Amino acid sequence: RKEVEQDPGPFNVPEGATVAFNCTYSNSASQSFFWYRQDCRKEPKLLMSVYSSGNEDGRFTAQLNRASQYISLLIRDSKLSDSATYLCVVNGGNTDKLIFGTGTRLQVFP
Amino acid sequence: SAVISQKPSRDICQRGTSLTIQCQVDSQVTMMFWYRQQPGQSLTLIATANQGSEATYESGFVIDKFPISRPNLTFSTLTVSNMSPEDSSIYLCSAEGGKPYEQYFGPGTRLTVT
Repeated sequence: RKEVEQDPGPFNVPEGATVAFNCTYSNSASQSFFWYRQDCRKEPKLLMSVYSSGNEDGRFTAQLNRASQYISLLIRDSKLSDSATYLCVVNGGNTDKLIFGTGTRLQVFP
Repeated sequence: SAVISQKPSRDICQRGTSLTIQCQVDSQVTMMFWYRQQPGQSLTLIATANQGSEATYESGFVIDKFPISRPNLTFSTLTVSNMSPEDSSIYLCSAEGGKPYEQYFGPGTRLTVT
């Protein structure tokens, strides 16, 4: 089983749509969770951290379910500029290492 | 957040040669990391570089192949030694930002080995 699993997509959605990505992780000792965004041929950029209470940043909402070892990202009112690969990232237990999922590709069309 | 630069941004190298990639952070950081991202794949951690100690390598990566230096709190280098076409990849460095475990990435070095 992979340490971090994501649906690779692609998710093709029209502008204005709401889209949700899911991710599961295997290490129950993981403490920190993130969503990164990676544009084609660019480096990953931190989109948001994910907290147990859930957190929202504008059109983006992240949720964490520790019992199910499940993380989600919801994007509302999708924009063309949201087209990218979204990486689910988890720290490796009690270490500083980050474990990256393979990413979910989103394509927003007009 | 940390601002990170890398040099070179890309290179084409012949097999058997070595390339050293430089990573500069705009502030002092304890932890720096080196990753590899092969085409269509996600990021794989090569090693963690702490100032003043030997780098810690992940399974499948060895110091002879990927020697790392960390001379101070803002700079690190990764050398890809005795290159083969299988080493063609993007190499990224990262550093932790202000919050625990949050990492910020340099723009990457795109390496092609012929």
